Amino acid sequence: DQQVKQNSPSLSVQEGRISILNCDYTNSMFDYFLWYKKYPAEGPTFLISISSIKDKNEDGRFTVFLNKSAKHLSLHIVPSQPGDSAVYFCAASALVTYKYIFGTGTRLKVLA
Amino acid sequence: KAGVTQTPRYLIKTRGQQVTLSCSPISGHRSVSWYQQTPGQGLQFLFEYFSETQRNKGNFPGRFSGRQFSNSRSEMNVSTLELGDSALYLCASSLTGKPGFDNEQFFGPGTRLTVL
Repeated sequence: DQQVKQNSPSLSVQEGRISILNCDYTNSMFDYFLWYKKYPAEGPTFLISISSIKDKNEDGRFTVFLNKSAKHLSLHIVPSQPGDSAVYFCAASALVTYKYIFGTGTRLKVLA
Repeated sequence: KAGVTQTPRYLIKTRGQQVTLSCSPISGHRSVSWYQQTPGQGLQFLFEYFSETQRNKGNFPGRFSGRQFSNSRSEMNVSTLELGDSALYLCASSLTGKPGFDNEQFFGPGTRLTVL
């Protein structure tokens, strides 16, 4: 049972445009969400997070939106840069646990 | 501050053998989690340790086990290897393991295990 889903395996965006990566979850107990970026041959790198008490969190070019009623979160990257090309994973957790559930990832390619 | 280190980086084993992977967390981090990454499956949670105690475990068979030492370093062991165990095994550390701001997980580069 995949509790965290990233339904788009890949996404291509032109440099300078907005990249929108989506993530859906099914477990209503999840109350903390994160996005990680992963380059080949490296471990995932933390990007940004959001708790369920907020619906938006920004950090520079990265903004995460949370829609609790739809059990949906998205990561916006504006403007997109070639160096953003990587696999992006969303992850979710319930604050009372000590584990994160990851999605299957979306490969973003930013075209110069 | 040094990051999370994992050894070895690459490993080739044959079916039926066992393997031990090692993870050294960031200094001061007491929680260590292990994940398996395979194509199309994302990161699958294996287990989490804090102060030498396993606090949570994923849905993996008993062939997968782990432990944590008093210095927070952790090892995971896979016995009776199967072809399907071929994967990237990632270790992550955090201060306390409790999800929340300023307590994010930092990942190591992973150990690529190939089972022939």
